[in-house]
Amino acid sequence: QSVLTQPPSASGTPGQRVTISCSGSSSNVGMNTVNWYQQLPGTAPKLLIYTNNQRPSGVPDRFSGSKSGTSASLAISGLQSEDEADYYCAAWDESLNGYVFGTGTKVTVL
Amino acid sequence: QVTLKESGPALVKVTQTLTLTCTFSGFSFSSSGTRVNWIRQPPGKALEWLARIDWDDHKFYSTSLKTRLTISKDTSKNQVVLTMTNMDPVDTATYYCAWISGKNDYWGQGTLVTVSS
Repeated sequence: QSVLTQPPSASGTPGQRVTISCSGSSSNVGMNTVNWYQQLPGTAPKLLIYTNNQRPSGVPDRFSGSKSGTSASLAISGLQSEDEADYYCAAWDESLNGYVFGTGTKVTVL
Repeated sequence: QVTLKESGPALVKVTQTLTLTCTFSGFSFSSSGTRVNWIRQPPGKALEWLARIDWDDHKFYSTSLKTRLTISKDTSKNQVVLTMTNMDPVDTATYYCAWISGKNDYWGQGTLVTVSS
């Protein structure tokens, strides 16, 4: 079950900025760091952002993450066609003593 | 180079027990901080975390599936095994193993398991 809530969809035209929210609680986002994943069709998720706002090497700086309280956000600036994918947030939950994923957001490039 | 690969049956019958093996290279349970997770994704649905085993043999399970899951490791073989009992068609999913630890984040390609009635 997903305890982190994301909007089911987001869209934009090439070059636009898209933001995806991730709403959690004090036991997960409020207490631990957030990761963001990008999943292209038929492939395993790929780490996009770790520790709230850090980019692994190779991830374009068009992707940025932030966190405030029990919510986190992923922003994609300068949207490109190859950004069309599903995006998930994730965090460790102290109450569940487990890792929790968001409900997922499908990004469409119009 | 870090790699993980899941293996197991592609098809299981209702009520059977599923056994999946994750074989990895490029890291070891001999190193503190090593944690391997199992995650699944039903077709067209969201990711769901199942279980984690740490280098010190600490184990963590999804609260909703805890009674059906067992995770174990074989350090000498660089393998992690997940068993899930009493399989049901709703358990049809792609099952992934993954090393998730900060910027160290590596996933296997996943293995699709279909539960038939």
